[in-house]
Amino acid sequence: QSVLTQPPSVSAAPGQKVTISCSGSSSNIGNNYVSWYQQLPGTAPKLLIYENIKRPSGIPDRFSGSKSGTSATLGITGLQTGDEADYYCGTWDSSLNAVVFGGGTKLTVL
Amino acid sequence: EVHLVESGGGLVQPGRSLRLSCAASGFTFDDYAMHWVRQASGKGLEWVSGISWNSGSKDYADSVKGRFTISRDNAKKSLYLQMNSLRAEDTALYYCAKDMSPYSGSGSDYFDYWGQGTLVTVSS
Repeated sequence: QSVLTQPPSVSAAPGQKVTISCSGSSSNIGNNYVSWYQQLPGTAPKLLIYENIKRPSGIPDRFSGSKSGTSATLGITGLQTGDEADYYCGTWDSSLNAVVFGGGTKLTVL
Repeated sequence: EVHLVESGGGLVQPGRSLRLSCAASGFTFDDYAMHWVRQASGKGLEWVSGISWNSGSKDYADSVKGRFTISRDNAKKSLYLQMNSLRAEDTALYYCAKDMSPYSGSGSDYFDYWGQGTLVTVSS
């Protein structure tokens, strides 16, 4: 049981838009920055979003992040088959004094 | 180019110890906090431990507290994880990850570079 709650799976057609939610509490998302990671099959995770909304250099603007209260959302537009991956949200939990991740969401591009 | 290369994984019996290493290159190692994150086969990411740039702050997941010890040698640009009293549930791929901040546990822990991982299997 993960501290942060994500839907197990989402799907959409190529070219469409998808959103992935991440729900937490005041001890984590509510008072700390959120990051998002993409993990392609058989590879290490890759940072997509940090400080809720910022993209590292090299990450296309098709990927976006937002946060409201104790929830965060990753948006992906112009879906490509290469976007098929597992996506994780992460943040610091001030009560646990630990980094916490969501359980992950598997994106299928139909 | 940033490179993180983990080593030290392997098959170990329950109750025994193992020490993981992570060799870093391509960035100023002592400017950043470092972390260990693990992933059991077919499961999600689990943060294990983090250490600040100067080893002044160390944080652990409850699941490993008291059994695992994180350390770093800035002169050698290396990160370590000493794992004692290993359990079957510690079986996972262990990743070394670079923080974007000098501080671990600052509330701004983002991992912008990851190694490829080293596999730890705890079994009799």
